[in-house]
Amino acid sequence: GAVVSQHPSRVICKSGTSVKIECRSLDFQATTMFWYRQFPKQSLMLMATSNEGSKATYEQGVEKDKFLINHASLTLSTLTVTSAHPEDSSFYICSAPQLRQGPYEQYFGPGTRLTVT
Amino acid sequence: AQTVTQSQPEMSVQEAETVTLSCTYDTSENNYYLFWYKQPPSRQMILVIRQEAYKQQNATENRFSVNFQKAAKSFSLKISDSQLGDTAMYFCAFMKHPTTGTYKYIFGTGTRLKVLA
Repeated sequence: GAVVSQHPSRVICKSGTSVKIECRSLDFQATTMFWYRQFPKQSLMLMATSNEGSKATYEQGVEKDKFLINHASLTLSTLTVTSAHPEDSSFYICSAPQLRQGPYEQYFGPGTRLTVT
Repeated sequence: AQTVTQSQPEMSVQEAETVTLSCTYDTSENNYYLFWYKQPPSRQMILVIRQEAYKQQNATENRFSVNFQKAAKSFSLKISDSQLGDTAMYFCAFMKHPTTGTYKYIFGTGTRLKVLA
């Protein structure tokens, strides 16, 4: 299957600072990527759809100015958490669908654990 | 709007036994895709099995098989000969056919499966 990587796997930052998380598709081109947030023992919550060369589409209730998404190339999307607060601490996961043919399953990155102190 | 329901928050099964995880969904779409993902303690999302709605034949992948009942909007996962490595959170996901260019998943709340030695 296709491989999606995320960097860093873990990050600790101080309250008020910004942190950037990278999501890369390693062996396929991804014009679309998704960013999820997952709280402990809960399901994945879709935050936004990242589109190469255009603005991201945010889900209702997600602050676009706080969670900045940039999809600069066909293999890289970044999520920047700006002015981080302890309540932003969570597990963030990205994914990318294979678009060659149905059923267009998504391949997931290993996730990034963000801790804001 | 589509919804996905997993009514079993937790389940356990003895090693080598068979277990079935349930998933129901609600949609007015006729063409869509269904998936089961496994999330072990590492939190890496792993695709277990996928089903195209237009295919009547149930998908199988080694010890994993589904019972897809389109009229009942049911998509259960059967794990045969359960192994300790099957211990994980299992998520059911729905995606409507991307004719409008969106590949978003709708996830269920998950079922935590524990395989007992």
